[in-house]
This record gives sequence, C-alpha cells and structure tokens, in this order.
Amino acid sequence: ELKVEQNPLFLSMQEGKNYTIYCNYSTTSDRLYWYRQDPGKSLESLFVLLSNGAVKQEGRLMASLDTKARLSTLHITAAVHDLSATYFCAVDWGAAGNKLTFGGGTRVLVKP
Amino acid sequence: GAVVSQHPSWVICKSGTSVKIECRSLDFQATTMFWYRQFPKQSLMLMATSNEGSKATYEQGVEKDKFLINHASLTLSTLTVTSAHPEDSSFYICSALRSGLGYTFGSGTRLTVV
Repeated sequence: ELKVEQNPLFLSMQEGKNYTIYCNYSTTSDRLYWYRQDPGKSLESLFVLLSNGAVKQEGRLMASLDTKARLSTLHITAAVHDLSATYFCAVDWGAAGNKLTFGGGTRVLVKP
Repeated sequence: GAVVSQHPSWVICKSGTSVKIECRSLDFQATTMFWYRQFPKQSLMLMATSNEGSKATYEQGVEKDKFLINHASLTLSTLTVTSAHPEDSSFYICSALRSGLGYTFGSGTRLTVV
C-alpha cells in the first residue's frame, strides 16, 4: 500500500522568510503533484513533477522531485500572506492504473 | 482548458434521503473520473474510480450500495449518496484525468445531513 507523508502538518511562517515542505512516499512512482487548497474550496494544481530531478518554479514556489529518495519538496521563498493555505502533495500509482494518494496536507499560515 | 464542473456546490438534506452530485468535464471527454471525500481538516481520500460505460471501482471500506456511481457518458459522472446519515456529511470532490495535463478537480460539494 502506498503511503504519502507530509511534514510538517502545520507551518507558521513569517513574511519574507523561506520555508520548505517535505513529501515522502513509500513506493516507486514518477508522477508527483502539488496542490493548494484554500478554506472551503477545491484543489488548485500547482505543479506536476514527472521525472527524477525535476524542478519547477512558479513565483515564490518551487517544487523538486527525487525519485530515488522518494522525496519531493515544496520550497517557499520570501513568504507573503497570500500564500496562506493548505498544501497537498499527491502521488500517482502509475503501475496500478491512475490513482492519486494524497499526503496529509500542510496547513500554512503566513503572519505579517 | 480541462475544466471540470461539479454541482451542487453545497446541499443540506434530511437523514434518510438521497442526494445526487454531478461532475461534468466541460471541454474534454473523460473516460475515467474519480470521487474523493474530505472531512474537515483532513486530506482527500479516494472513494471510487468511475469508468464510462462500466461499473465503478470502489476503494476498500467504501460501501458501493451507499455511494452509487454512474458514468453514463464521456462527460458526466454522478455520485448518489443513498439514505444519507449525519456521518456522511463531508466535502465531496470529483476529478478527471486528462492525458498530458494531469488531474483537474471539480469545485467540490459540501454535504450536510441533518
């Protein structure tokens, strides 16, 4: 059974500082996704990481994937209040057919 | 592109009644759609995979007779919560996979059973 673990579960950030969210998964996969969820809303796609060493950046967010270590990171640069949300990573079970397994989520609160 | 519309966005129903949630792919054909449930402050849990023209595949622990899924066309999947009870109150989200574009999620349905 695939397990996806995120840490930390909660992250209180100060504006202007840098932070990292970690996503570990337990079995081979080469498709990893990052999503953002605002309270009461559905998921917004942030990144799709498809290969070992993949790095993608959008604004203050940068995601990377190390398939050998089964680890993805979401790095936040110079946090701003607008980034307050819950962030999920999700891993695709490619071999078993398409099926996403989500991490537990990281609730981010950026304080001024 | 790759828009998934989910309706209704919220619904309140009485215990014992049934509720239908629709998930439509607006600008592409989706042979496979997925239904998730999310309890407050928790992650998304896959309930079932909906396959056009065939039976849905349910995850372990999900009652197929309670959560009826129909995927009668390439653009529409429905989830019916039958004989709803307060413990079924949750946020239900559908998604569809579009080749090369990843998963697109519907806007979600907040179900409250009173």
